[in-house]
Amino acid sequence: GENVEQHPSTLSVQEGDSAVIKCTYSDSASNYFPWYKQELGKRPQLIIDIRSNVGEKKDQRIAVTLNKTAKHFSLHITETQPEDSAVYFCAASELGYSTLTFGKGTMLLVSP
Amino acid sequence: DAGVTQSPTHLIKTRGQQVTLRCSPKSGHDTVSWYQQALGQGPQFIFQYYEEEERQRGNFPDRFSGHQYPNYSSELNVNALLLGDSALYLCASSRVRLDTQYFGPGTRLTVL
Repeated sequence: GENVEQHPSTLSVQEGDSAVIKCTYSDSASNYFPWYKQELGKRPQLIIDIRSNVGEKKDQRIAVTLNKTAKHFSLHITETQPEDSAVYFCAASELGYSTLTFGKGTMLLVSP
Repeated sequence: DAGVTQSPTHLIKTRGQQVTLRCSPKSGHDTVSWYQQALGQGPQFIFQYYEEEERQRGNFPDRFSGHQYPNYSSELNVNALLLGDSALYLCASSRVRLDTQYFGPGTRLTVL
C-alpha cells in the first residue's frame, strides 16, 4: 500500500518568513495530492490540492509543487501570518478511489 | 449549504462496549469515508461507502463495521472496544471520482 513521509514534524518561523513542508510517497499509482490544515480541536480543512498532470499550483500565498519522478511534493507558504499556525497534513491517493493516505503532520508555529 | 456533520461530538465508553458514530455528508455528495486519528498522528483510512456498500477498506479489524443509508448518511460501528480505539473519528464526504474530500468535525471517542 501507499506510504507517505512528511518532514519536518515541527517548523517555527517568524511572521513574514516563508515555510516549506515536504512529503514523499511510495506508490507510483498515486496521482492526487491534497494538503489539509488542522487547527487545534478542529476538522482538517483542504487548503490546496494538485493532480499529477500539473507540476505546480498556486493560490495566493500558498503553492504546491510536485515531482512525479522523485515521488515528492511540497507545500510553500509565503508571507506567513500568526493565523497560519496549525498542523498541516499532506496526503496521497489514486484518482477515482478517494482513499487518502496521510503523512504524520507538521506543526507550523508562526511567531509575531 | 450544510457541510459534513457528525454526532455525537464526544463519547466515553468502557472496554468491551459497542459504539455507533454518525455522519451526514455535504449536500450533493454520495461517498462517505471514515478515518481514525490518534493523538498527534495523521488520519488513517478505515473504510469507504458508496451506493450503500463498503467499497474499500483499510487495515482495520472486523470489529469496525459500517453502513450507508439511501440518503447517503453513514454510521461507523465499533464492537468490543479496546483502550487503543480511543481517538478522533472523522468522516469525509466526496462525489465519487471527484476525489476532493471534505471532513466533518469528528467524534472524540474515549475508551476507559
